[in-house]
Amino acid sequence: AQKITQTQPGMFVQEKEAVTLDCTYDTSDQSYGLFWYKQPSSGEMIFLIYQGSYDEQNATEGRYSLNFQKARKSANLVISASQLGDSAMYFCAMREGRGYSTLTFGKGTMLLVSP
Amino acid sequence: EAGVVQSPRYKIIEKKQPVAFWCNPISGHNTLYWYRQNLGQGPELLIRYENEEAVDDSQLPKDRFSAERLKGVDSTLKIQPAELGDSAVYLCASRPGLATADTQYFGPGTRLTVL
Repeated sequence: AQKITQTQPGMFVQEKEAVTLDCTYDTSDQSYGLFWYKQPSSGEMIFLIYQGSYDEQNATEGRYSLNFQKARKSANLVISASQLGDSAMYFCAMREGRGYSTLTFGKGTMLLVSP
Repeated sequence: EAGVVQSPRYKIIEKKQPVAFWCNPISGHNTLYWYRQNLGQGPELLIRYENEEAVDDSQLPKDRFSAERLKGVDSTLKIQPAELGDSAVYLCASRPGLATADTQYFGPGTRLTVL
């Protein structure tokens, strides 16, 4: 079974609109972390936001927020006021357990922001 | 603060040739990761180092891939001989010691094309 599922291969949004990128995860661990990364065409993976499994508040970082629904095992990324520079691939990733565990990534969602 | 540095950024080789990638992590980061990202996929772990020790190399194809992290700082990933299926982006990431967000920071990657 896929540990991280991103069901939207591509998303389109107009500039200044908000967009939600979906991510569902599968784990039996009680302690885990969820991450979102942005990968522009240049190739670098840019960290956006993190949510710990025990965090009671949804994470926010500027225009990025994470809609964490633990019972549904979903961790959707919300980008408010989209900008042209937001056009990129977006990856959801999970770290299971504590410590130095590796990240498991989803297949990504391509976001295109139009003027 | 300098980010993760990787070189070369691009490499084109013929099959059966050897190739090496170099990574310099963020200063002070003890944990170093090598990932491979195939086209249209998320990154997948090849090997993880804690200081100079390889603690997770279960996904590294050891018949042709090797890695080292001398003195627990820079790391080199080698493929010998390369095969057509090795064409991918090779990403290096690093992580500080125990931290609340345990975020991994990625380099720009090396795009390998095997002809």
